[in-house]
Amino acid sequence: DTAVSQTPKYLVTQMGNDKSIKCEQNLGHDTMYWYKQDSKKFLKIMFSYNNKELIINETVPNRFSPKSPDKAHLNLHINSLELGDSAVYFCASSQLTSGSGEQYFGPGTRLTVT
Amino acid sequence: GQSLEQPSEVTAVEGAIVQINCTYQTSGFYGLSWYQQHDGGAPTFLSYNALDGLEETGRFSSFLSRSDSYGYLLLQELQMKDSASYFCAVREGSARQLTFGSGTQLTVLP
Repeated sequence: DTAVSQTPKYLVTQMGNDKSIKCEQNLGHDTMYWYKQDSKKFLKIMFSYNNKELIINETVPNRFSPKSPDKAHLNLHINSLELGDSAVYFCASSQLTSGSGEQYFGPGTRLTVT
Repeated sequence: GQSLEQPSEVTAVEGAIVQINCTYQTSGFYGLSWYQQHDGGAPTFLSYNALDGLEETGRFSSFLSRSDSYGYLLLQELQMKDSASYFCAVREGSARQLTFGSGTQLTVLP
């Protein structure tokens, strides 16, 4: 059973297009996250939702819009894609107030903008 | 703002012991986590220290000194499969978010 799943795994698209990435977790966690990992492997948080409420909204272009329809799902929509958006996007989930705050990561979506 | 420092690369041989250090500057500190990421894979949780001292989990141990804003990950009896990137991350803020270091690429040689 996959704990955190993302679709698609690979996404190749042209500049200016709009695309979405979907994430689902079956761990019963109350918090979900989107991270961006660049080519230098730097992992940076973008957004976080706790019980469908946005709790972290880092400095990210407003072309990126997250949406959490329920606690188990967190989607990321990106408008007007740019070359600099090329990266691996990871979804993660956790139980916010757990002792360790361990985050479970999805397999990642490798986005390539041409 | 927050920042974390860890070495960019470490190389060791099978069977050896390696220590990856991490220093941090942050506010609203809850604890220090370590994650492992193999090439092409997702980060996976290794350990978490909220209090000063050493936490041991099998071949891996993690240490924290809150007064020194310093921690390390100790990997013993290195195996080839330990070749990966290792990230320290501070858990901080009201949202208890993770802020990751830039990662240490560990290469284990035969």
